[in-house]
Order: sequence, then structure tokens, then C-alpha cells
Amino acid sequence: GNSVTQMEGPVTLSEEAFLTINCTYTATGYPSLFWYVQYPGEGLQLLLKATKADDKGSNKGFEATYRKETTSFHLEKGSVQVSDSAVYFCALGSSNTGKLIFGQGTTLQVKP
Amino acid sequence: EAQVTQNPRYLITVTGKKLTVTCSQNMNHEYMSWYRQDPGLGLRQIYYSMNVEVTDKGDVPEGYKVSRKEKRNFPLILESPSPNQTSLYFCASSLGGAPYEQYFGPGTRLTVT
Repeated sequence: GNSVTQMEGPVTLSEEAFLTINCTYTATGYPSLFWYVQYPGEGLQLLLKATKADDKGSNKGFEATYRKETTSFHLEKGSVQVSDSAVYFCALGSSNTGKLIFGQGTTLQVKP
Repeated sequence: EAQVTQNPRYLITVTGKKLTVTCSQNMNHEYMSWYRQDPGLGLRQIYYSMNVEVTDKGDVPEGYKVSRKEKRNFPLILESPSPNQTSLYFCASSLGGAPYEQYFGPGTRLTVT
């Protein structure tokens, strides 16, 4: 079945450091891929998405590229801020059920 | 403001006492879904609905019921809650299934003692 694997956290970085959070997936067909972010005490909100191979999603300085050959969708940001501290979820979207299959989440803490 | 609302936000109850968590969206979305979030497991889908009167099981439906009588509302019902249903619950809605963005409610923290 479809699944998503994220790198385990927590990830602790200093402000302005480079961020990578790894995400790999297993899926049949051509799923959509997403990164959602959850700030403390809030629901999830979409950070970026990609719907086909080689698509790059980007938002708020974050980027991720849909790599079909390596079944990956790694999240990157060149310079993190304290306000980026949150839990990040990689997700795979099933086109027939609409279901999102989530990774376990990666907690990011950015220190000043 | 476009939003998904859930009530209550926090609930502590006892084993076996029926409860309902409400979910409402004001975006005229066809698709609605319930997830539970548990540490180390991410979010798992409980039930989903493609449209009014159309619901289907997700990955972890045991012990839950849902109904979709109106487009905007999608309540989650626990007929006889048990401690293993202690979790953080999220309702979400979207125009359709993937690749559409899903909009999440703020969550309901449920504790069953």
C-alpha cells in the first residue's frame, strides 16, 4: 500500500541555518505530494504541494521537488527563522479516495 | 473568513459515554474528512465523505460513526468511547480529493478515562 516515511526529529537549528527534512514515499500510480505545517496549538495548514514528477512546490522560502526516480519529496529552506519552529508533515494524496497519507511528522526547533 | 470549525476544542469524558464532535465548513466544499493524530503515527484517516449522504471508511474507522446530512457539517460520533480513543482529532475539507488542498480545523483534544 501507499506510505510516507519522514526523517525522525526533533531537528534543532540555529537561526539562518539551512534546513532539509527528508521525505520518501511508496505509491502506485501518480500521487500528489504535499508538505503541511502545524504550529503549536493549531491545525495543519498547507505549506506547498506538487502534483506531478519534476514539479517544484515553493512557499515562504520553502521548496520541495517531486522526484519520481528516487520517490522523494524533501523539504528545504535556505535560511530558517525562529518563527519556522513547528511540526512538518509530508503527505501523499490518493486521487481516488482523496485521502492524505501522512508521515509521522518532524519537529523543527529554531534557536535565536 | 473561510474556515473549518470544530467543537468542542477540549473534552474529557468517561468510558462508554456517547459523545459527538461537530465539524462545520463555510467554503461549500464537497469533500470532508476526519483524522486522528497520535504521537509517532502522524495523522490517520478515520472516515471521509465525498458529498452529502456519501461516506466511507478510512484507515481506522473502528469505534466511530459519521453522518453527512448537510454539505457544511460532518459530525464525528463515538457511541461508546474507550481509553484508546484518547487522541487529537482534526476535521478537514476540500473541493475534492487530492490534489486539492485540504483545510483543517483547529483540532479537538479528547481524553477518555
